[in-house]
Amino acid sequence: AQSVSQHNHHVILSEAASLELGCNYSYGGTVNLFWYVQYPGQHLQLLLKYFSGDPLVKGIKGFEAEFIKSKFSFNLRKPSVQWSDTAEYFCAVGDYNNNDMRFGAGTRLTVKP
Amino acid sequence: NAGVTQTPKFRVLKTGQSMTLLCAQDMNHEYMYWYRQDPGMGLRLIHYSVGEGTTAKGEVPDGYNVSRLKKQNFLLGLESAAPSQTSVYFCASSYPYQPGYDEQFFGPGTRLTVL
Repeated sequence: AQSVSQHNHHVILSEAASLELGCNYSYGGTVNLFWYVQYPGQHLQLLLKYFSGDPLVKGIKGFEAEFIKSKFSFNLRKPSVQWSDTAEYFCAVGDYNNNDMRFGAGTRLTVKP
Repeated sequence: NAGVTQTPKFRVLKTGQSMTLLCAQDMNHEYMYWYRQDPGMGLRLIHYSVGEGTTAKGEVPDGYNVSRLKKQNFLLGLESAAPSQTSVYFCASSYPYQPGYDEQFFGPGTRLTVL
């Protein structure tokens, strides 16, 4: 079965700092890639997704992610974080050929004002 | 549209008690899912359904049962609750795509504590 690794468990940044959250997966086939965000007290919502095409994907609220197939990675980036970006971020990998979706353990981001 | 709703929001059970969590969606989605979220482990799929009257096991199905009698509802049952089932449970749905293919829409979660 595939697995998803998010290397950073808790990241603390000051406002305006740049963000990069790592996500690696172990699966050799074709996958769809997602980043979800969970703001405090709220449900998960989609931040961005990659199916095919341009490996640099832009999502909501200024987030972007880059798919690097050779590294099995899908890292999330934002050039300048805001206090309102404080949330938990989940990387997810979908294998639709096998009806399988796996989530990473999540990275908690705290942005200090 | 309410999206995906879950009932109840919180529940405390004693070991051995049973309960049912209800998930409802008003987006006419074919696929519905139950996940549990535990600290440091992310979301893990318990069971899912690809349509009314169908269910399938996910990654961690033991100790849970599900039913999808109506397209808009997906029930998760715990027949004999154990402390290891203390978790936050999320329901999700997607249309018309199968697991792993497209965005899933999540409910607000149910926080369950088993004493």
